[in-house]
Amino acid sequence: AQKITQTQPGMFVQEKEAVTLDCTYDTSDQSYGLFWYKQPSSGEMIFLIYQGSYDEQNATEGRYSLNFQKARKSANLVISASQLGDSAMYFCAFAPRDQAGTALIFGKGTTLSVSS
Amino acid sequence: EAGVAQSPRYKIIEKRQSVAFWCNPISGHATLYWYQQILGQGPKLLIQFQNNGVVDDSQLPKDRFSAERLKGVDSTLKIQPAKLEDSAVYLCASSDPPGGSTDTQYFGPGTRLTVL
Repeated sequence: AQKITQTQPGMFVQEKEAVTLDCTYDTSDQSYGLFWYKQPSSGEMIFLIYQGSYDEQNATEGRYSLNFQKARKSANLVISASQLGDSAMYFCAFAPRDQAGTALIFGKGTTLSVSS
Repeated sequence: EAGVAQSPRYKIIEKRQSVAFWCNPISGHATLYWYQQILGQGPKLLIQFQNNGVVDDSQLPKDRFSAERLKGVDSTLKIQPAKLEDSAVYLCASSDPPGGSTDTQYFGPGTRLTVL
C-alpha cells in the first residue's frame, strides 16, 4: 500500500526567506502523481502544484517549485520569498495511476508559520 | 469558473442523530470524491464517484454512512446514526475524468461537523 510521510510537524520562516517542506512516499507503482495542497485556517484545500512520475523536469508554479527526486522517492515543496499569507498547513498527496480509483492519499501535513 | 460548492459549512448534532451534506462539483467534472478530515490529520477518502457510479467505497463505514450522486452531478453524504468519532471536516472534491487534460482535484470549503 502507498504511504506518504511528512516528517516536519511545524516549520518557522521569516518573510522573504525560502523554505522547503519535506515529503517522501512509498510505492511500487511506476505511474503516479504527486500533489501539494495548502490549507489555511479557514479550512479549504487549495491546489498548489503537481508532478507526474514521468515528468523529467521539476514542476514550478510561481513561487512554488517541487523538488522531485524519483530514486529517493521524495517530492519536497520549495516556497521562495515567503509571505505572511503563506502561513497555513501544507499537505503532500499521492495519486496512483495504475488502478481505477484515483483518490489522493495524504500525508499528515506540515504547519508553516511565516513571521515578519 | 465556479468552484466546488458545499453546504452546510457548519453542523452541530447530538450522537445518534442523522445529518446530510451536499456537494455541487465544478461544472463538467465527472469524478467526485468525499473525504473525511479528522483534526490534526490529512483527509481520507470515503467514496469516489465517476459520473453516477461508485468507483471506490472501500473505506466508507457502510453501517452508518451512505452517499449518492444522482444524475451524475450533485452528491449527498449522509450519516445515520452519528457517533462522537464522526466529528470532522467533510470535504468534497471534483476532477476531470481519467484521460482528460488534468485530474487535479479541486476541493470545496468543507463542512465542519461536531457531534456532541
